[in-house]
Amino acid sequence: GAVVSQHPSWVICKSGTSVKIECRSLDFQATTMFWYRQFPKQSLMLMATSNEGSKATYEQGVEKDKFLINHASLTLSTLTVTSAHPEDSSFYICSAISGANTEAFFGQGTRLTVV
Amino acid sequence: DAKTTQPPSMDCAEGRAANLPCNHSTISGNEYVYWYRQIHSQGPQYIIHGLKNNETNEMASLIITEDRKSSTLILPHATLRDTAVYYCIGTGTASKLTFGTGTRLQVTL
Repeated sequence: GAVVSQHPSWVICKSGTSVKIECRSLDFQATTMFWYRQFPKQSLMLMATSNEGSKATYEQGVEKDKFLINHASLTLSTLTVTSAHPEDSSFYICSAISGANTEAFFGQGTRLTVV
Repeated sequence: DAKTTQPPSMDCAEGRAANLPCNHSTISGNEYVYWYRQIHSQGPQYIIHGLKNNETNEMASLIITEDRKSSTLILPHATLRDTAVYYCIGTGTASKLTFGTGTRLQVTL
């Protein structure tokens, strides 16, 4: 299957700082990427949909000014958590689809800890 | 996405078949049944999907009832590496997935 890579795999940051997470499709062009968040012992919750060259679409309750998404190319989307707080500590996961849209491929996830 | 119901947990002995059920009684005619699994602290992994017919690939088999109200994912020879949370999703699009609580499969020696 296609490969989606996230970087970093884990990050620790101080409260009030910003942290950027990258999601790359390594062997295909991703027209659309999705960002999910998963708290411990819970399921994945969709945060936003990111289309190359256009603004991201955020799910209800997700602050677009806090979670900045940029999808500048067909192989890269970034999620920036701005002014991070301890409650933003979570497992962030991206997925990507090509134009064929047969299945979504997921990155390995990024564990963010805000101290 | 269609509402799906799965048992919260199941156990399976290594080497035996693991049969994971999923109810999706409200699934519409154009919605597929997708199965993903998530091994601890990793991203979800695609397993298989189907619309009406039974499907098989190198990982698993998917049996969909004729009325499409339920399905079963079959891992023919479970190994310890198959221990994971398995998600059944009914959706018309493979991209924007809504994950439920899934079934936590524990494979034991």
